[in-house]
Amino acid sequence: DAGVTQSPTHLIKTRGQQVTLRCSPKSGHDTVSWYQQALGQGPQFIFQYYEEEERQRGNFPDRFSGHQFPNYSSELNVNALLLGDSALYLCASSWTGPEETQYFGPGTRLLVL
Amino acid sequence: SQELEQSPQSLIVQEGKNLTINCTSSKTLYGLYWYKQKYGEGLIFLMMLQKGGEEKSHEKITAKLDEKKQQSSLHITASQPSHAGIYLCGADMGNTDKLIFGTGTRLQVFP
Repeated sequence: DAGVTQSPTHLIKTRGQQVTLRCSPKSGHDTVSWYQQALGQGPQFIFQYYEEEERQRGNFPDRFSGHQFPNYSSELNVNALLLGDSALYLCASSWTGPEETQYFGPGTRLLVL
Repeated sequence: SQELEQSPQSLIVQEGKNLTINCTSSKTLYGLYWYKQKYGEGLIFLMMLQKGGEEKSHEKITAKLDEKKQQSSLHITASQPSHAGIYLCGADMGNTDKLIFGTGTRLQVFP
């Protein structure tokens, strides 16, 4: 049973560019959440997708957008990249049930130059 | 200000020693999660606590949630080098399924 997978593992972009990160949830999970983790900090919630819609959102600008597909996989898009967007981007999946433990993928490390 | 405070920020212990990491919130928590992270990698789920006074153990790691559901501790007994990493507490503060994380505790275990 595959856990949460993310691609790519590493990415280097320049300021102003756009990036798309991908996530496949753990088998049986229908909810995907995205987090940004800056160096030395805890993860910060970006947004969450359920039934192909954004269910809730953290304090991130509209440059951050996402999508969830019918197979529950998800994409995170970031437009007009800034140096401060350099971070580890983590995807977490869960099942909408009584104990909604979020299981995390290995992350995508994004470096903006 | 941080909604979830972790202490200590870092910990260096000798192999075989016991240690405790604390996680404190000013608000009542709906759920408290403990994760472990190797540097630059994803988070590995350790335990989840939901009820006041709840205590769970897995191998040599025990986590507790206080009766008021505002403070949790993670205790490692007889630490080993494999316990080294960053321990993060995450909390659901409004039954929203959105996790707020502390800044983490970096644990090093030397032989």
